[in-house]
Amino acid sequence: QKEVEQDPGPLSVPEGAIVSLNCTYSNSAFQYFMWYRQYSRKGPELLMYTYSSGNKEDGRFTAQVDKSSKYISLFIRDSQPSDSATYLCAPSTPDSWGKLQFGAGTQVVVTP
Amino acid sequence: NAGVTQTPKFQVLKTGQSMTLQCAQDMNHEYMSWYRQDPGMGLRLIHYSVGAGITDQGEVPNGYNVSRSTTEDFPLRLLSAAPSQTSVYFCASSYSRDRVSYEQYFGPGTRLTVT
Repeated sequence: QKEVEQDPGPLSVPEGAIVSLNCTYSNSAFQYFMWYRQYSRKGPELLMYTYSSGNKEDGRFTAQVDKSSKYISLFIRDSQPSDSATYLCAPSTPDSWGKLQFGAGTQVVVTP
Repeated sequence: NAGVTQTPKFQVLKTGQSMTLQCAQDMNHEYMSWYRQDPGMGLRLIHYSVGAGITDQGEVPNGYNVSRSTTEDFPLRLLSAAPSQTSVYFCASSYSRDRVSYEQYFGPGTRLTVT
């Protein structure tokens, strides 16, 4: 069993809808939780970075972490066609030192 | 800053050939990593380095070698290419502060096809 599980999608939504993305993980030592966004034929780029449990909001994006159930979520409000990308979750420990474990990534398609 | 740069962008190899994928960063990051990305598999760590002269294996190291003689450069060598190494390769760098490691910055990737 992989340490980080993520539904690969694709997830297709109409413009303006709320997108809900999820990850589960098995390592209770994870304390930092990152979401990366990857456009087609590009490298991943950091979208959100949260520490421990709770919510973090950044514009239209909200990251949620529930450490008790080892569940990570990313919500995109008022989705735009420019949000069409693959979203990868990457939980980590403080001493990950360049060794991240990624979920498989969920492909999101926002249609106009 | 150019960030993380990778060359070449595309490469086609025949089975058994060797080659080196280049990676450089200009952010003075101590950590550098190589990942491969295959459909449905996400990013898998091949090798990583915590500083010049120090490297270690990741999840899928077989068939690949690395070395790190400078902070800036972290080349990945394919010793004898196999079709199973057809993939997109990403180099990444990151830093730490107060003993906590932070997010990774990725290069644009190298698309490798082995025939």
